[in-house]
Amino acid sequence: GQQLNQSPQSMFIQEGEDVSMNCTSSSIFNTWLWYKQDPGEGPVLLIALYKAGELTSNGRLTAQFGITRKDSFLNISASIPSDVGIYFCAAGSGNTGKLIFGQGTTLQVKP
Amino acid sequence: NAGVMQNPRHLVRRRGQEARLRCSPMKGHSHVYWYRQLPEEGLKFMVYLQKENIIDESGMPKERFSAEFPKEGPSILRIQQVVRGDSAAYFCASSPDQGLNGYTFGSGTRLTVV
Repeated sequence: GQQLNQSPQSMFIQEGEDVSMNCTSSSIFNTWLWYKQDPGEGPVLLIALYKAGELTSNGRLTAQFGITRKDSFLNISASIPSDVGIYFCAAGSGNTGKLIFGQGTTLQVKP
Repeated sequence: NAGVMQNPRHLVRRRGQEARLRCSPMKGHSHVYWYRQLPEEGLKFMVYLQKENIIDESGMPKERFSAEFPKEGPSILRIQQVVRGDSAAYFCASSPDQGLNGYTFGSGTRLTVV
């Protein structure tokens, strides 16, 4: 079935550093989404990408929808302690409403 | 303007009992999705429902699991005769239409089977 390969699995960085994570798939998708999940909570949408090649920013976050429609990356610039959490990529096709999730990237930020 | 409401937040069941998880979508949303998350994994799609209809249940286990979204009231995910392997976080999401715009997740129900 369809699956997303997300990397890295975990990152431990110093406050102020930039972070990059990505997702790849062998399948083509029409939408890529990036979520953050805090412990005991549901995923919260960070950035949504709807067009191949699209580059979108949300504050210190930047994400791109790969031109092949099979991958996406998320960058976080100048990390701060509240960036700690698990980041998930998710992708969807057409109007099915069904999302496929990556395995997550656990981010830890050292003050 | 309440978001997606799930209850209970935590549910403990003994093996063999039934678990009923509830999800009230955001106001104006008529599409509901259920996902399951095992520890240290991503969310896995289970079922997609629109009012009174199951649209896609390709991720639902064939036995013991069922879902409904009646004309009135919340969507219910029902697990009969629970086993230890059913222990997980179950998340509901809702959207105003079939697309992914406005797709919002609830805070989840953590099911523990003892």
